[in-house]
Amino acid sequence: DAGITQSPRHKVTETGTPVTLRCHQTENHRYMYWYRQDPGHGLRLIHYSYGVKDTDKGEVSDGYSVSRSKTEDFLLTLESATSSQTSVYFCAISEPMDGYEQYFGPGTRLTVT
Amino acid sequence: GNSVTQMEGPVTLSEEAFLTINCTYTATGYPSLFWYVQYPGEGLQLLLKATKADDKGSNKGFEATYRKETTSFHLEKGSVQVSDSAVYFCALRKGGSEKLVFGKGTKLTVNP
Repeated sequence: DAGITQSPRHKVTETGTPVTLRCHQTENHRYMYWYRQDPGHGLRLIHYSYGVKDTDKGEVSDGYSVSRSKTEDFLLTLESATSSQTSVYFCAISEPMDGYEQYFGPGTRLTVT
Repeated sequence: GNSVTQMEGPVTLSEEAFLTINCTYTATGYPSLFWYVQYPGEGLQLLLKATKADDKGSNKGFEATYRKETTSFHLEKGSVQVSDSAVYFCALRKGGSEKLVFGKGTKLTVNP
C-alpha cells in the first residue's frame, strides 16, 4: 500500500469555525490532490499541488485553500466551515514517471453542524 | 470537455453471477482509462487500467477493454463474490494531463 495517511480521520465541527485537514505521504511523489466525495457526485477535485509551494484549483475550490511547504505534506483548510462542506475528503498522490497513476489515502469524514 | 458516464446503480447480484458495469467517455485525443474500486470505509484503489485503444486491463478476475470506436471501457467479471461488494469508479486521464476525471460511481452488492 502507498504510504499515505490523513488526519484526522473523523471530525465534527460547527459552522463558521476554521478546519485544517492534513495529508502526509512517504512516497516522495511530486503531485498531491484533494478531493471530496458526495453521494450522486462521485469524486470532485478541490485543489492539487505539483510541487512545494505550487498549487492550482480544481473544479470545486470555492471556500477551500491549500498549502504545501514540504514534499510530504499537503494541507486543506476550510477558513469558515459551512454545512455544504460536510463530506468525505480524500487525498491522493501521483508521480509523472508512473503515468500519473493516483494512489488514495483512507479519507477524512468531516461533519459541519 | 472531458467526461465519464457510468451506469447508475445500485447493482445487486447473486454470488457467481456475471457482472457488467458500463462506462463511456467523452474526450479529445487518446486518454488513458481506469477502473478504481472503493471498499466500505476505505479509499479508492486502482483495479485496472488501459492506455491505448484495444488494450485490455485485467486484475482479480475483472477485465475491461478500451474501445475507441464506441468510446467505452466496460468492466466485466465472470463470477462475482460477496467480497466484490464495493463502489466502482471509471476514470480517464487525458494525455499530458496530471488530473483524473471520474464517473459518479456504481455501487455493487453481491448476495450469498
